[in-house]
Amino acid sequence: QVQLVESGGGVVQPGRSLRLSCAASGFTFNVYAMHWVRQAPGKGLEWVAFISYDGSNKYYAESVKGRFTISRDNSKNTLYLQTDSLRAEDTAVYYCARDQRAYCGGDCPSDHWGQGTPVSVSS
Amino acid sequence: QSVLTQPPSVSAAPGQWVTISCSGSNSNIGNNYVSWYQQLPGTAPKLLIYDNNNRPSGIPDRFSGSKSGTSATLGITGLQTGDEADYYCATWDSSLSGWVFGGGTKLTVL
Repeated sequence: QVQLVESGGGVVQPGRSLRLSCAASGFTFNVYAMHWVRQAPGKGLEWVAFISYDGSNKYYAESVKGRFTISRDNSKNTLYLQTDSLRAEDTAVYYCARDQRAYCGGDCPSDHWGQGTPVSVSS
Repeated sequence: QSVLTQPPSVSAAPGQWVTISCSGSNSNIGNNYVSWYQQLPGTAPKLLIYDNNNRPSGIPDRFSGSKSGTSATLGITGLQTGDEADYYCATWDSSLSGWVFGGGTKLTVL
């Protein structure tokens, strides 16, 4: 069955960096686009970034553009989110999510989500 | 401030039905498919409705979706206590080149 397992979260000071990972299994990773979505404590869902199945296209929310970088290693079935220059408002649970359909260009819904990895930015 | 507007909360009695609205604009709902997600407390979101009105396998037909113009609606009939959750609408925004979510609606089954 499809499994997405995030890791790499933790407590970090403002201005520092973290690299989040999402290990995928149970499906052909290299034909599905992926997303990162976050949820601040007590708040709603916020889309963060998208990467196409082959890594050739990437999109970012304005709130993270220039600070976060999404990438993937299809040989390792792993999705990444490099988060730099972290701010207090980046504190959230970060979910990775898989597109519902293969080869989608970003506008497909996400039918599988990981359990999330928490990131806390605090001095 | 979310791009898509949902009511913060709705409530109804067990066995009753409820609707949750989601309002957007031409750059998002007006020209793209709408999805709905259910998030039970302490869990990851779950896809409930996709492409405006389709249910993934395993989602009961008590859940339905519709879209008209720049608004969408989630309907839930035969409410159960297990339906208590946060519900989010979502769609692609062509101007932003990214997904946008509604602020979420907390459903209480009284």
